[in-house]
Amino acid sequence: AQSVTQLGSHVSVSEGALVLLRCNYSSSVPPYLFWYVQYPNQGLQLLLKYTSAATLVKGINDFEAEFKKSETSFHLTKPSAHMSDAAEYFCAVSAPGGSYIPTFGRGTSLIVHP
Amino acid sequence: EAQVTQNPRYLITVTGKKLTVTCSQNMNHEYMSWYRQDPGLGLRQIYYSMNVEVTDKGDVPEGYKVSRKEKRNFPLILESPSPNQTSLYFCASSLLTSGRVNEQYFGPGTRLTVT
Repeated sequence: AQSVTQLGSHVSVSEGALVLLRCNYSSSVPPYLFWYVQYPNQGLQLLLKYTSAATLVKGINDFEAEFKKSETSFHLTKPSAHMSDAAEYFCAVSAPGGSYIPTFGRGTSLIVHP
Repeated sequence: EAQVTQNPRYLITVTGKKLTVTCSQNMNHEYMSWYRQDPGLGLRQIYYSMNVEVTDKGDVPEGYKVSRKEKRNFPLILESPSPNQTSLYFCASSLLTSGRVNEQYFGPGTRLTVT
């Protein structure tokens, strides 16, 4: 069965600092991987996705993530945090072991300090 | 505009009073799903549907029902709501790519309080 682990329920950074949100997955075959963002009082929206093409995926608002098969990771990064990046971030995996139905991580709340 | 709509956005009700939360998408997506979001627990799937008349249980289906009579609509029914169903609910839809769920489009959410 597939699963997703997001390390750290809260991550705090200063404005302008590097953002790193961690996601590890378990899957016996190459999965689809997604990062979603949820701004306060809104639904989730897609940031970026990996579907077995390039391992370095670029998304909206300068976010990117790298698929590392050997580490079963798909960490989300952004070189310089903005106040507007403060939100909840969810990693999700879709793999054959779960009949391709996506499984979501528990989410990481990104806090950005001035 | 491509979107997923949910109604109502906010609902306060009492224990045992049947309610329906509607969900509609205008993107001709095969896959639709309901999630609940609770603090510290992330998103948990309630039910999903791979196409019309095809529905299946997710991780937390107890106390909920769904139906998929038309491709665009996927209502969530609580026959006898209880306080532990107080939550934030999201509907989502997606195209299927080679049988796989691809990126999902989410509705704005329905905040339900059961007293």
